[in-house]
Amino acid sequence: DAGVIQSPRHEVTEMGQEVTLRCKPISGHDYLFWYRQTMMRGLELLIYFNNNVPIDDSGMPEDRFSAKMPNASFSTLKIQPSEPRDSAVYFCASSLASGSYEQYFGPGTRLTVT
Amino acid sequence: AQSVAQPEDQVNVAEGNPLTVKCTYSVSGNPYLFWYVQYPNRGLQFLLKYITGDNLVKGSYGFEAEFNKSQTSFHLKKPSALVSDSALYFCAVRGAGGNKLTFGGGTRVLVKP
Repeated sequence: DAGVIQSPRHEVTEMGQEVTLRCKPISGHDYLFWYRQTMMRGLELLIYFNNNVPIDDSGMPEDRFSAKMPNASFSTLKIQPSEPRDSAVYFCASSLASGSYEQYFGPGTRLTVT
Repeated sequence: AQSVAQPEDQVNVAEGNPLTVKCTYSVSGNPYLFWYVQYPNRGLQFLLKYITGDNLVKGSYGFEAEFNKSQTSFHLKKPSALVSDSALYFCAVRGAGGNKLTFGGGTRVLVKP
């Protein structure tokens, strides 16, 4: 398996623009997680899905952030409008619903908002 | 609520010496415990896990971790560190009945030649 795939790997955008981050989980995994990593706040869970349904979005910072999972093999995290404080590395991870539940992470998207 | 503490921001060790990265946790019920490693500009990589059974768990790259229920700890260890072990290490916990992992703040390991 190719592992969790994220695109783009790097994104530079101007404040106010819409940003869409994409994730393809490992085939057969039931859970998908979106995280944000910054120096100041460390690794934060933003939202996670089970079988394409959002389960917990309590980590989403504000209404400017939204996430969707239209099918089992694709998810998006959208920021509209973007702000400089959104600059971070965004990770997607997936896991199985049974077993030991370890999560497998993608390579991340480094977002810079100027 | 579940939580993880990694009390050391950075650990420095000479190559060939033993390496220990500390982790304590708080969770309701029996914990599922994990260690991940992050190399520069990479995602987190799974190292090892404790679910049940033997308190000493062995994982990738020669790492092991010891689960101590009375001290609520899950310290990561390697008998002989390599320069290539220099990275950021995260401890995580999952409580019973949930699928969220709570991560610690991370410990940066620097192994000097």
